[in-house]
Amino acid sequence: DTGVSQNPRHKITKRGQNVTFRCDPISEHNRLYWYRQTLGQGPEFLTYFQNEAQLEKSRLLSDRFSAERPKGSFSTLEIQRTEQGDSAMYLCASSGNKQGAVYEQYFGPGTRLTVT
Amino acid sequence: AQKVTQAQTEISVVEKEDVTLDCVYETRDTTYYLFWYKQPPSGELVFLIRRNSFDEQNEISGRYSWNFQKSTSSFNFTITASQVVDSAVYFCALRRITGTASKLTFGTGTRLQVTL
Repeated sequence: DTGVSQNPRHKITKRGQNVTFRCDPISEHNRLYWYRQTLGQGPEFLTYFQNEAQLEKSRLLSDRFSAERPKGSFSTLEIQRTEQGDSAMYLCASSGNKQGAVYEQYFGPGTRLTVT
Repeated sequence: AQKVTQAQTEISVVEKEDVTLDCVYETRDTTYYLFWYKQPPSGELVFLIRRNSFDEQNEISGRYSWNFQKSTSSFNFTITASQVVDSAVYFCALRRITGTASKLTFGTGTRLQVTL
């Protein structure tokens, strides 16, 4: 099995631009999560999908943020009109119904966003 | 509301010393999961252990051991005979069992530095 993959690994953008990140979960995992991690902090939950349904969104997810998982496989996270405060590491995790993986979330390497 | 506190921001030890990382949590749920993750300098969060709230038996895995005490809401992690490769940030996390809320609530992490 390959692990969770995220692209791009690094993104530098100018304030006001839109950015989109992609997450490919572990195959057959039906649950997918997005977290954000700023320097010196633990990851903070953003949103959660079970298959293609977005079941929970954090209040951290302002209306500039949107996430999709159209076919219940990969997911995208888009940030519109980026602000410097959006600079962070964006982490994706998946969990699912494979043996031994029902409750553990396995994380990808993250996408580091820098807004200049 | 759920909360995880890791009061130790940074710990430095010399190789072969034992070290304990503290984790205290708050939740109104009577059943829940607790986790420890390791984040090495490469950045990817690595799952270490999951513990169910109804199972207070301590666990040992090689040089790692975990002490769960529901009475004090603590889930401490001990590394015996630490090694340089143990240098990383360690996160404790909490997750509800019931409902659709499967997000992880993380502490702020403890940075462990093991030197020769």
